[in-house]
Amino acid sequence: DVKVTQSSRYLVKRTGEKVFLECVQDMDHENMFWYRQDPGLGLRLIYFSYDVKMKEKGDIPEGYSVSREKKERFSLILESASTNQTSMYLCASNPQGISTDTQYFGPGTRLTVL
Amino acid sequence: AQTVTQSQPEMSVQEAETVTLSCTYDTSENNYYLFWYKQPPSRQMILVIRQEAYKQQNATENRFSVNFQKAAKSFSLKISDSQLGDTAMYFCAYANDYKLSFGAGTTVTVRA
Repeated sequence: DVKVTQSSRYLVKRTGEKVFLECVQDMDHENMFWYRQDPGLGLRLIYFSYDVKMKEKGDIPEGYSVSREKKERFSLILESASTNQTSMYLCASNPQGISTDTQYFGPGTRLTVL
Repeated sequence: AQTVTQSQPEMSVQEAETVTLSCTYDTSENNYYLFWYKQPPSRQMILVIRQEAYKQQNATENRFSVNFQKAAKSFSLKISDSQLGDTAMYFCAYANDYKLSFGAGTTVTVRA
């Protein structure tokens, strides 16, 4: 079974702090994704990566950056957290086709910024 | 930009009954993929069913089936013989090239 894990289920940070959200997948998938999930808005793509050190902006990249130094690990970074970044963050991966393949999701990190 | 619309925020169904979730999308592309994902309470999101737009035949996965109407840009999900374990939020998703769009979700509650 594919396993996608995220470093924290719940996280509370202060405004202005630098926040790291980590995601690891164990199935040698090429592609990894970061979404945020908000009520009434569904999932919105923040960034994705199709290879080590490669990244592409999604629909809402402002205020976020990402890092993929190793194939299995994809990090989301909030350089200076703000209250409007309070949300559920979901990581996902898929094998080959960005658009064609099923995505496998992690359990999510619920981030609260005070 | 592609948009995906799920017009039903919440639905309730009696156990063993059938429920249909609607999804419409907007695209000018001819080839794309459509998905339904399920997110049970406090659990990970998983794929329910996948449809390739160039295939005429509607996808089916056990009790889950879709009604794909390409011209109408509609992709509804039917859950037959609903079970308590079907209680979840369901998301419709569109994918083409490097574009991925999800709907706002429909919360389905199965009543015993």
